[in-house]
This record gives sequence, structure tokens and C-alpha cells, in this order.
Amino acid sequence: DVKVTQSSRYLVKRTGEKVFLECVQDMDHENMFWYRQDPGLGLRLIYFSYDVKMKEKGDIPEGYSVSREKKERFSLILESASTNQTSMYLCASNQQGRVSEAFFGQGTRLTVV
Amino acid sequence: AQSVSQHNHHVILSEAASLELGCNYSYGGTVNLFWYVQYPGQHLQLLLKYFSGDPLVKGIKGFEAEFIKSKFSFNLRKPSVQWSDTAEYFCAVMFRGGADGLTFGKGTHLIIQP
Repeated sequence: DVKVTQSSRYLVKRTGEKVFLECVQDMDHENMFWYRQDPGLGLRLIYFSYDVKMKEKGDIPEGYSVSREKKERFSLILESASTNQTSMYLCASNQQGRVSEAFFGQGTRLTVV
Repeated sequence: AQSVSQHNHHVILSEAASLELGCNYSYGGTVNLFWYVQYPGQHLQLLLKYFSGDPLVKGIKGFEAEFIKSKFSFNLRKPSVQWSDTAEYFCAVMFRGGADGLTFGKGTHLIIQP
């Protein structure tokens, strides 16, 4: 079974803090993604990566950055957290070069106060 | 830009009613299509997927969906819903072979009344 694991289920951070959300997958997938989920807006793609050290902006990259130093790990970074970044964050991965669905982690509910 | 539209944001049905949730996308090229479900307090789960072949696909828990290429649609159906189907349902489309990830619709919140 594919496993995508996010390091925290719940996080509470203060405005202005630097926040790291970690994601690890164990299926040797090339592609990894970060989404945020908000009521009425569905899931929106923040950033994705198709290889180590490679990254591409998604639909809403502002205020975020990412890091992929190892194939299995993809980190989302909020350089200076703001209250409008309070959300559910979902990590996903899939295999490149063939048809495959994306597998999701359990999500991290981030609250910025 | 490619987009995915779900027609209904909130649907309320009684048990045993039939369900159809609409999904349309805007893109003329090859797509892969998915329906995900999120039960209260749980993570996203894949209900069903379409990659190629028979446009009528069957998923878990009695759900099915039909891909109609001419209408750019991938509607989800279930002939008789149960209270346990109460959840959020997301249509998702993978454009360009997955190079850009999945694009999601805004979701449909389905409530089944006993």
C-alpha cells in the first residue's frame, strides 16, 4: 500500500512564525504535490515537484515555498505565517511517466493565530 | 487555464434516493478523471477513476461514473444512497499526463437524511 505521511495532524502557530510542513512517501514516486483545502474552494495546488530539487508553482504559490532535497520528502514552508494561511494542507504523490492516480496524506490542519 | 466545475455545492437526499453529481472540465486534450470522497474527519479517498477504455467505470461502495467526451463530463452516480454516504465529494482531472498534478472541483457536500 502506498503511504503518504504528513508529520503533523494539527498545528497552531503565531503570526509571523516560520512554519514547516513535512511530507514523506514510501513508493518511490517522482511527483509530489502540496494542496490547501478550504470550504467552498475545494483543493488548490500550491506547489509541486517532479524531481529532487525541482519545483513548479501551482495556482496559489504566494506566501509559500517548498523544498525537495530527497525523493521521498517534500516540505512546504510558510516563511512568515499569516492568519489567511489557516487551512487544511494536503500532500500527495504519484508516479511519473505512466497513468496513476495521486495518493494523499491525512492532512495537516494549520491554525495561525 | 484548465478548470473543473461541480454543479452542486450542497445536496440533501433521503436514504434510498438516487444520486447524480455533475462534473465538467474545460480542456480539449487527453485527461484522466477521478472522483474522491472525504468522510467527516477523514482523509481523501479515491472512489473511482477513468484512464481509458469503457467510459462507464465502477468504483467502491456502489458508485459509478460515466465519461462523456463530447460533453467534457464525468458525472458520479449511485442508484440508492445510504446515510453513510454523507461526505464531501470532489471531482478531479489530471491534464497533460499528470505533469501539473490534479485540478479539483470545489466539492459537493452531500447530506443523506435517514
